[in-house]
Amino acid sequence: IAGITQAPTSQILAAGRRMTLRCTQDMRHNAMYWYRQDLGLGLRLIHYSNTAGTTGKGEVPDGYSVSRANTDDFPLTLASAVPSQTSVYFCASSDTPGGGSYNEQFFGPGTRLTVL
Amino acid sequence: GQSLEQPSEVTAVEGAIVQINCTYQTSGFYGLSWYQQHDGGAPTFLSYNALDGLEETGRFSSFLSRSDSYGYLLLQELQMKDSASYFCAPPSGSARQLTFGSGTQLTVLP
Repeated sequence: IAGITQAPTSQILAAGRRMTLRCTQDMRHNAMYWYRQDLGLGLRLIHYSNTAGTTGKGEVPDGYSVSRANTDDFPLTLASAVPSQTSVYFCASSDTPGGGSYNEQFFGPGTRLTVL
Repeated sequence: GQSLEQPSEVTAVEGAIVQINCTYQTSGFYGLSWYQQHDGGAPTFLSYNALDGLEETGRFSSFLSRSDSYGYLLLQELQMKDSASYFCAPPSGSARQLTFGSGTQLTVLP
């Protein structure tokens, strides 16, 4: 039972480069999310998807894009990385948007990204 | 807009009881979630209050008062492993996205 996996675990990237962070879940959850967490702060929502084929913008979407071609995968792409995108990125999923009756989201282990 | 307030740090000793408060302002309030995050780890779900009152799950309880826009997480019989950051996170918006505050860093001392 894997739950949610993210790849890579960590990455150092030169500014201006393109990067895709991968996220896969095996729980057949409908909703998926991408958050970033900067040092000492809470998580901020970047993009979300309520179901395969749909996406929406969160609190901090600029510089990021997502796609949801199927239920399991929700990649996050940085088209041209900038140093301010240095952060830890968490992918999450929930059975229904917002987490259903118990509002529970399941989080992946995170990707630590450094943009130089 | 959304705003959340939690204490930034709380320190307590093993076996004690600690309460972490959360005040919020959100549009379209649905309830209040609590998540735990250990250093370097992923957030994990602790509890959710959809209605006013107390929800109990083992050593952890969570309380919500909608009229006061206030909630708290109560941790009893503290253990060293409870040292972590705790976030209140109300769902909001059409997709009930979670908004996380800056969190409360709990340190449990022996």
